[in-house]
Amino acid sequence: LAKTTQPISMDSYEGQEVNITCSHNNIATNDYITWYQQFPSQGPRFIIQGYKTKVTNEVASLFIPADRKSSTLSLPRVSLSDTAVYYCLVVGDSSYKLIFGSGTRLLVRP
Amino acid sequence: DTGVSQNPRHKITKRGQNVTFRCDPISEHNRLYWYRQTLGQGPEFLTYFQNEAQLEKSRLLSDRFSAERPKGSFSTLEIQRTEQGDSAMYLCASSLGLAGGPGVDTQYFGPGTRLTVL
Repeated sequence: LAKTTQPISMDSYEGQEVNITCSHNNIATNDYITWYQQFPSQGPRFIIQGYKTKVTNEVASLFIPADRKSSTLSLPRVSLSDTAVYYCLVVGDSSYKLIFGSGTRLLVRP
Repeated sequence: DTGVSQNPRHKITKRGQNVTFRCDPISEHNRLYWYRQTLGQGPEFLTYFQNEAQLEKSRLLSDRFSAERPKGSFSTLEIQRTEQGDSAMYLCASSLGLAGGPGVDTQYFGPGTRLTVL
């Protein structure tokens, strides 16, 4: 299982774009990159998933370079409610077990 | 609300007591997972069901822990003779159970049950 490395914490201000980068040097061919968001006292919430290049949904964008050894979660124009822990995971296409690291604690200030 | 539900949301118990948590997955989801999360850490995998069959148990799941999913719908997680080290958030997740192919079987988490063992 590929290990991921991401910053422990990040600070931002309302209205800014936030980019959280995750390293996964040992990613395998059949692995997907998945991001979850977790608020205090709640379960993780799926945000976005991708395999290569760029994926965008109503919440975020995920940028994956050609070598797939890293990925960047981009949150446009964050608000106070985006304050949460963000987890980057690498998951095989037939995996059933999610391996979470400690995540990135994002604090959005007014 | 058609998401994953868990009950109770909070449980306070004394050391040595037994506790049971319930998880109701999203309807028609074949796979159900239990995770445990302690303060400041990400969730850790405990066990996984495909329908009613328990297919894997983590080494974190000692003999005092037992999970069931009798009819392939809801699941229960029981902890016997609780210890203070069992204090954590217990999370349940479910997924459709896609059998290979492109894409990953997205897991949807419930709100968790926070257990405090005094």
